Amino acid sequence: QKEVEQNSGPLSVPEGAIASLNCTYSDRGSQSFFWYRQYSGKSPELIMFIYSNGDKEDGRFTAQLNKASQYVSLLIRDSQPSDSATYLCAVNGGAYSSASKIIFGSGTRLSIRP
Amino acid sequence: SAVISQKPSRDICQRGTSLTIQCQVDSQVTMMFWYRQQPGQSLTLIATANQGSEATYESGFVIDKFPISRPNLTFSTLTVSNMSPEDSSIYLCSVGTSAEQFFGPGTRLTVL
Repeated sequence: QKEVEQNSGPLSVPEGAIASLNCTYSDRGSQSFFWYRQYSGKSPELIMFIYSNGDKEDGRFTAQLNKASQYVSLLIRDSQPSDSATYLCAVNGGAYSSASKIIFGSGTRLSIRP
Repeated sequence: SAVISQKPSRDICQRGTSLTIQCQVDSQVTMMFWYRQQPGQSLTLIATANQGSEATYESGFVIDKFPISRPNLTFSTLTVSNMSPEDSSIYLCSVGTSAEQFFGPGTRLTVL
């Protein structure tokens, strides 16, 4: 079982709709959860992080965390063509690895169609 | 957030040669990380570099192949040794903590 799993996509969403990206993780001891956005040919950029169960909102982005289900998601409201990118879910090292180590999922490619 | 630069931004190398990638940060940081991102893949951590101590390598990566230096709190190098086409990848350095990490622009390496 992979430590961080994401659907590779591509996920196609019409402009203005809500894009929903999902991620599961295997280490119950993980403490911190991140969403990175990576445009083609560019390095990843951090867009959201969440530590506690529930929702965290930042502008058009909402991160949701459910530790009991080992599930984290990212919602993008009012999707724009500029949101088209690969979204990487990442989890910090939990009980079985260094707390400083961040493990990345394989990424979900999101495409916003005009 | 830290400003991170890498040199070179890209290179094309011959099989059997070595390339050293530099990473410079605009502020002092305790931990620096080196990642590899192969074409179409996600990021894989190669090693963690702490100033004043040996780098810690992840499973599947060894010091002889990827020697790392960390001479001070703002600089690190990663060498890709005895390269083969399988080493063609983007190499990224990052800085941060368990709370968040920031990435440099990456070095795109092609090995012929």
